[in-house]
Amino acid sequence: QKEVEQNSGPLSVPEGAIASLNCTYSDRGSQSFFWYRQYSGKSPELIMFIYSNGDKEDGRFTAQLNKASQYVSLLIRDSQPSDSATYLCAVNDYKLSFGAGTTVTVRA
Amino acid sequence: EAQVTQNPRYLITVTGKKLTVTCSQNMNHEYMSWYRQDPGLGLRQIYYSMNVEVTDKGDVPEGYKVSRKEKRNFPLILESPSPNQTSLYFCASSYIRDASNEQFFGPGTRLTVL
Repeated sequence: QKEVEQNSGPLSVPEGAIASLNCTYSDRGSQSFFWYRQYSGKSPELIMFIYSNGDKEDGRFTAQLNKASQYVSLLIRDSQPSDSATYLCAVNDYKLSFGAGTTVTVRA
Repeated sequence: EAQVTQNPRYLITVTGKKLTVTCSQNMNHEYMSWYRQDPGLGLRQIYYSMNVEVTDKGDVPEGYKVSRKEKRNFPLILESPSPNQTSLYFCASSYIRDASNEQFFGPGTRLTVL
């Protein structure tokens, strides 16, 4: 079993809708979790990190963490065409382990 | 400007010809890491370093070497490149202090081995 699993997508949403991205991880002892955004041909950039159970909001982005279920998600509200990218979930143990990424396309 | 730089950005080479990809950061980060990114596989860690002269293998270290003689530099060495090392490579760095240790990525090096 891979350490970090994501739905590969692609996920297509209309402009203004909510995009919901999911990530599960295998190591129950993992402490901190990250969402990176990567535009095609570019390097990943951090959107959010979360390490406490519950929700964390930053602008149009909300990260949700459930350690009991070993599940972390990212919601993108009011999706914009500029949100079209690949979103990488990462889990920090002694090193950062990445999922394969979910490609999101926002239709204008 | 705080940044991670990589050189070269693009490289086409032939099997067996030794090459080095340089990585440098100006943020005084302790932690540095190399990843390769292949379609459908996400980012996979090759090697990482917790500080000067401290390096360790990641998930896919075969065929690669690294060194950390200075805090700011972390070169990736391919002694005898093979076509299966054709990939997009990223260097990253971060502090080691708390759970929110964001990794900053370089712009990437696209390597093709013929």
